[in-house]
Amino acid sequence: KNEVEQSPQNLTAQEGEFITINCSYSVGISALHWLQQHPGGGIVSLFMLSSGKKKHGRLIATINIQEKHSSLHITASHPRDSAVYICAVSQGAQKLVFGQGTRLTINP
Amino acid sequence: DGGITQSPKYLFRKEGQNVTLSCEQNLNHDAMYWYRQDPGQGLRLIYYSQIVNDFQKGDIAEGYSVSREKKESFPLTVTSAQKNPTAFYLCASSRAPQGGEAFFGQGTRLTVV
Repeated sequence: KNEVEQSPQNLTAQEGEFITINCSYSVGISALHWLQQHPGGGIVSLFMLSSGKKKHGRLIATINIQEKHSSLHITASHPRDSAVYICAVSQGAQKLVFGQGTRLTINP
Repeated sequence: DGGITQSPKYLFRKEGQNVTLSCEQNLNHDAMYWYRQDPGQGLRLIYYSQIVNDFQKGDIAEGYSVSREKKESFPLTVTSAQKNPTAFYLCASSRAPQGGEAFFGQGTRLTVV
């Protein structure tokens, strides 16, 4: 079993829909990261959080430390949101452990 | 603008040859990392460096080598000993050895022909 599990692996939705991607982890962490990877391959950091909730534009990330679970929400989804979303956790000093990613496709 | 630059974006190598992937950052970050990404798998750590002239093996270091002679630069050499070198390679950096937000380069896709 992977230390970081994401669900779903693939998600297709219509423009405007509310999107939720889930991340569960089984190890102690110092922080959780949500990353976005576009088809070209480059990765952008969306959020880093260790408790509660963060919001940036149409993106919202939440984390429940007790349940070892985080969610990434996208409101009013748009085709440009189509990408792979990756959850990663920081363990102590320097190591990031990555989930396998969720491939999101938003159809117009 | 500050950021991480990886080059080249695409690289082809013949079997038996060593090849070096470049990673440069102008963010003044102490820590730098190399990851490998294969289809259907999460990123895996190859090597990381917390300070100049020091680096540590990650989970899949066999067949790879690195150097950290300058704070800004962390090149990765894929040697002929790496059995399955065809992959997407990502370089990242963070402000401090204790972690923090990670910044990623655009990646290098290496294909062995």
